[in-house]
Amino acid sequence: GQQLNQSPQSMFIQEGEDVSMNCTSSSIFNTWLWYKQDPGEGPVLLIALYKAGELTSNGRLTAQFGITRKDSFLNISASIPSDVGIYFCAGHHSGGSNYKLTFGKGTLLTVNP
Amino acid sequence: EADIYQTPRYLVIGTGKKITLECSQTMGHDKMYWYQQDPGMELHLIHYSYGVNSTEKGDLSSESTVSRIRTEHFPLTLESARPSHTSQYLCASSESTGLNSPLHFGNGTRLTVT
Repeated sequence: GQQLNQSPQSMFIQEGEDVSMNCTSSSIFNTWLWYKQDPGEGPVLLIALYKAGELTSNGRLTAQFGITRKDSFLNISASIPSDVGIYFCAGHHSGGSNYKLTFGKGTLLTVNP
Repeated sequence: EADIYQTPRYLVIGTGKKITLECSQTMGHDKMYWYQQDPGMELHLIHYSYGVNSTEKGDLSSESTVSRIRTEHFPLTLESARPSHTSQYLCASSESTGLNSPLHFGNGTRLTVT
């Protein structure tokens, strides 16, 4: 399947700092999704993006669907301790099955109080 | 919030045992999925289903099998568990309408085979 390159692999930040992570691919994607996974839990959908250039916010989270349809970023503003977790990007590849998601390898976020 | 439930949450069993991991959703979603995930690692699709009596292998080869006799139920079975099957298994579903619907995940089953 198509690969998503997610970076950074991990981040250690202080409470109150802003965070940015991104996903890129050499292929075109029809959708970009951002999930957060807490330890021992399943991933929870944070933001879904469906159109190139789309910029969507969910509280302190903002994500954008890249114009080229090959990338997306997620920003977290004014981080708090409960932001700790693994963030995954995912997408539906335009040339693949519309029912299967491709996932990035995740960004582990640690927030120091 | 999605209503998708997995049982058990944790399972420790011995090698050679047969196990079934349960997954149920109450949203009427036609599409359901099983992912395998090692701790802190990426998710790998092992099975999916488009609807009743439809099951397909995912991208990662797995010795497990699945069945879809009812819309709401998508159990995963290991006939003879081995230590290499130790992992977290995540079930998910997505809406029937719309080609690119997001997946909603259960809380997973963490399986340990001794």
